[in-house]
Amino acid sequence: NAGVTQTPKFQVLKTGQSMTLQCAQDMNHEYMSWYRQDPGMGLRLIHYSVGAGITDQGEVPNGYNVSRSTTEDFPLRLLSAAPSQTSVYFCASREAPSMKQYFGPGTRLTVT
Amino acid sequence: GENVEQHPSTLSVQEGDSAVIKCTYSDSASNYFPWYKQELGKRPQLIIDIRSNVGEKKDQRIAVTLNKTAKHFSLHITETQPEDSAVYFCAASDTSGTYKYIFGTGTRLKVLA
Repeated sequence: NAGVTQTPKFQVLKTGQSMTLQCAQDMNHEYMSWYRQDPGMGLRLIHYSVGAGITDQGEVPNGYNVSRSTTEDFPLRLLSAAPSQTSVYFCASREAPSMKQYFGPGTRLTVT
Repeated sequence: GENVEQHPSTLSVQEGDSAVIKCTYSDSASNYFPWYKQELGKRPQLIIDIRSNVGEKKDQRIAVTLNKTAKHFSLHITETQPEDSAVYFCAASDTSGTYKYIFGTGTRLKVLA
């Protein structure tokens, strides 16, 4: 049982490039989320999904896309990277009905 | 929109003393309140949580209290140890609506030996 996994661990992009951050969980959780963490700003919700085929926007969705074709995977796409997207990105999944949420190890992204 | 305020932003205590971190939430529909601990360079880890039908919950040296009327909840750490040094985040969520977690901005706790 690997829990929540994320790849890559580190990434450097140039402004305007696109990429996909991968997230997978093997706990059969329906609910998954993406957060970004910036110094002094806590964890801000980007997008979330309550099940395969269902996604919705969080607090800071602009510049990011998501899809949920399977229960296990929830990739986050950066369409055209900007320096403001430099951050640490965490994926999380939540078990029901306890509501306990578990985080992946994070991806540190730098956009130059 | 929903908001969770957390304070203090930094807290230094002597080893063995108690630490208290407080959060206030705005959405009256919130009924689930977890606390996370994040060590430097690591992922947030759930340490304790409480639901709105309970006023207090304890797990060894940590406890959480909830005042639904005032929309306040607090984390209490007793007999602090150096390994308690970390950033602590509170969050609020509801179980009947969007299920979104809204996080506080974090408290950096330093336990001085």
